[in-house]
Amino acid sequence: DAKTTQPPSMDCAEGRAANLPCNHSTISGNEYVYWYRQIHSQGPQYIIHGLKNNETNEMASLIITEDRKSSTLILPHATLRDTAVYYCIVRVEGYSTLTFGKGTMLLVSP
Amino acid sequence: EAEVAQSPRYKITEKSQAVAFWCDPISGHATLYWYRQILGQGPELLVQFQDESVVDDSQLPKDRFSAERLKGVDSTLKIQPAELGDSAMYLCASSHLAGGINEQFFGPGTRLTVL
Repeated sequence: DAKTTQPPSMDCAEGRAANLPCNHSTISGNEYVYWYRQIHSQGPQYIIHGLKNNETNEMASLIITEDRKSSTLILPHATLRDTAVYYCIVRVEGYSTLTFGKGTMLLVSP
Repeated sequence: EAEVAQSPRYKITEKSQAVAFWCDPISGHATLYWYRQILGQGPELLVQFQDESVVDDSQLPKDRFSAERLKGVDSTLKIQPAELGDSAMYLCASSHLAGGINEQFFGPGTRLTVL
């Protein structure tokens, strides 16, 4: 699987948009971009995934650049409960293993 | 909403003792995973089951770790003997299919402390 690079930490004010970047410059054509998050002392939680088109669900939006070498997870109105470690993972279609890095620790403050 | 169940949530043991963790995946999920997460790191896959069969245990330290899923439903991960370096969170996850783009659902984990 392609390697991802994320900033170790980010801050965001409550109510503002949180934009979490991820670099995956060696991504292959059959690799999807997945985002999971892990709130303290809980198991990881799936957020969203995409291949090349932008995606949106009730939790977040995923913006993938045209060359697919990077992506941004957007939490449109961050709340204190969004404080968590966010993992960006690239995963080959048809292959189930998730390879986690260290992720980005997002701290949402009042 | 269906959840992955794990027990115990916390376990403290002394080194050289045996420990066991239990996981009950979401009903109908054929694929089950055990991960280990050391503090400050992301989860690392230990073993993956498809029904009752192991499909990937390449990262499982087989000299002391064992995992089984006898009836293809719930699963047990065992460590014998436990070592200080085994202190970590042990996470279980399940998914409906082995491949494809389906998501994995994680349980709350078992935090192991080896003294």
